[in-house]
Amino acid sequence: DQQVKQNSPSLSVQEGRISILNCDYTNSMFDYFLWYKKYPAEGPTFLISISSIKDKNEDGRFTVFLNKSAKHLSLHIVPSQPGDSAVYFCAASESGTYKYIFGTGTRLKVLA
Amino acid sequence: DAGITQSPRHKVTETGTPVTLRCHQTENHRYMYWYRQDPGHGLRLIHYSYGVKDTDKGEVSDGYSVSRSKTEDFLLTLESATSSQTSVYFCAISDRVLDTEAFFGQGTRLTVV
Repeated sequence: DQQVKQNSPSLSVQEGRISILNCDYTNSMFDYFLWYKKYPAEGPTFLISISSIKDKNEDGRFTVFLNKSAKHLSLHIVPSQPGDSAVYFCAASESGTYKYIFGTGTRLKVLA
Repeated sequence: DAGITQSPRHKVTETGTPVTLRCHQTENHRYMYWYRQDPGHGLRLIHYSYGVKDTDKGEVSDGYSVSRSKTEDFLLTLESATSSQTSVYFCAISDRVLDTEAFFGQGTRLTVV
């Protein structure tokens, strides 16, 4: 049973516009959420995270929003750049456990 | 970059043979993880370790075993490789003193023929 879901396998956005990547989860015990970016032939790299005590976290062009009641989080990239083209994974974790559970990923393509 | 080294980086092996992948870290992080990445499945947790000799199963542990005899090394063994285990394998480490992220290695591409 997939506890973390990314329902959009791919997304194309024009350079300079906003990219919105979505993630849903089913386990209400998750209290820490992360986004990773992955380029081909490389390991995933950490992008941004959010604790369940917050509903928004911002780092430069990247903002993560958390809606606990809907069990939904999203990553906003503004403005999108061609170098942002990659696969983005969301992940979730529960305090007291040691595991990070990942979604299936969304491939973002930013068109120049 | 976090000090994580995976070896080998690429391996081709035959069905039925045992295979061991190694993850070595220089960060002294307590937690180590093995994931596999497959199209349509994203990253799935195989096994993880929360200390020396302390390991537990993840989402897709069947056919895999792990060992951690030292803080810095986490070994993943395929006892008898099958074609369904053809994948890219990633090791990750985490401190988790507070909410922290996991850092990933470069991956090992394993092909079972």
